[in-house]
Amino acid sequence: TQLLEQSPQFLSIQEGENLTVYCNSSSVFSSLQWYRQEPGEGPVLLVTVVTGGEVKKLKRLTFQFGDARKDSSLHITAAQPGDTGLYLCAGPDHNTDKLIFGTGTRLQVFP
Amino acid sequence: NAGVMQNPRHLVRRRGQEARLRCSPMKGHSHVYWYRQLPEEGLKFMVYLQKENIIDESGMPKERFSAEFPKEGPSILRIQQVVRGDSAAYFCASSPGQRETQYFGPGTRLLVL
Repeated sequence: TQLLEQSPQFLSIQEGENLTVYCNSSSVFSSLQWYRQEPGEGPVLLVTVVTGGEVKKLKRLTFQFGDARKDSSLHITAAQPGDTGLYLCAGPDHNTDKLIFGTGTRLQVFP
Repeated sequence: NAGVMQNPRHLVRRRGQEARLRCSPMKGHSHVYWYRQLPEEGLKFMVYLQKENIIDESGMPKERFSAEFPKEGPSILRIQQVVRGDSAAYFCASSPGQRETQYFGPGTRLLVL
């Protein structure tokens, strides 16, 4: 069974701090996606990483896909209150089209 | 281009009633997925449909739950004889094809009293 574990589960930081969220699996994924979900809304896709070792940047967010395609990280530089939300990693099941979601990291950034 | 639309956004039902959740995919998307999110948890896959066909229902409870995606109209997730444990957020996603990016709707929050 493919599982995605995220850490930390909760993160509370002050505005301006840096942080890293991890998404780990014992299984290889063909790609991994990162979503952010705000209260009362659906997940919004931030990025898809496909190639082992790939690094993608989205303004202050940096996403990395592990060389073995079993893990990924999300680094936020100089966090802002607007970054507050639930961050979810997800990857496609080997045999079907369904997405397997990670356990989630709830980030709170205080002004 | 309108995104994935779901209605209602909030639904309250008493135990034993039926809940019907609707999902209109993005224009041009013929693949629909339903996921359930319990409080403080990630999303869990329920069912994957294409027009008039159920492709994968491996995540759907065998009783009381059904889904359809007719030739015309939205996809419907139906929960019969709801119980308190059905209270959750139900999200629909759509994609233009197999193995393509899934885009999520805002969800329907079901509360069973």
